[in-house]
Amino acid sequence: DAGVTQSPTHLIKTRGQHVTLRCSPISGHKSVSWYQQVLGQGPQFIFQYYEKEERGRGNFPDRFSARQFPNYSSELNVNALLLGDSALYLCASSEMGALLYTIYFGEGSWLTVV
Amino acid sequence: DAKTTQPNSMESNEEEPVHLPCNHSTISGTDYIHWYRQLPSQGPEYVIHGLTSNVNNRMASLAIAEDRKSSTLILHRATLRDAAVYYCILRVPTGNQFYFGTGTSLTVIP
Repeated sequence: DAGVTQSPTHLIKTRGQHVTLRCSPISGHKSVSWYQQVLGQGPQFIFQYYEKEERGRGNFPDRFSARQFPNYSSELNVNALLLGDSALYLCASSEMGALLYTIYFGEGSWLTVV
Repeated sequence: DAKTTQPNSMESNEEEPVHLPCNHSTISGTDYIHWYRQLPSQGPEYVIHGLTSNVNNRMASLAIAEDRKSSTLILHRATLRDAAVYYCILRVPTGNQFYFGTGTSLTVIP
């Protein structure tokens, strides 16, 4: 069975540009969350979506936005890119948004801002 | 945000048990304790989780202190493939928000 898939795997953008990252959850999973991982640190929570509604937001500026589609896939958008946005962006999915469900991470999208 | 404290790094000899400690003194009664590990250039991988009682699965065991202010992940026989960063995480009750710290980098020595 396919795990969480993310695209693109690597990309390079210029400061001020916009980026869209995509995530397909495991089949049957309705909850998707996004994390940012800067080199040398643990992942930081950005957003959680469940049944196409935002259910949680971390401490990130409004330049970060996301949405979930009817097929439960998700996009993370970042506007006006800064050098500090360079990081690994991780998507995770789970069956539901409740406590007991394990979340599964994808391999991530490596974003470099130059 | 619920916080966890872990040693930055640990070493273990191959095929010996490893005990990875975690302090979470601000844990609330409904917070689950989760452990994930992350191999280089990969996303985090689920290891184990628990609430109050000790837990075992095929990968590891989780020992939770009686007051729940600390826990220990136990790898019974470390292999080279266990070399990774191990994260102890408290799961916020309202959803999928995991708050990661910097984790413990485990080195396994052949």
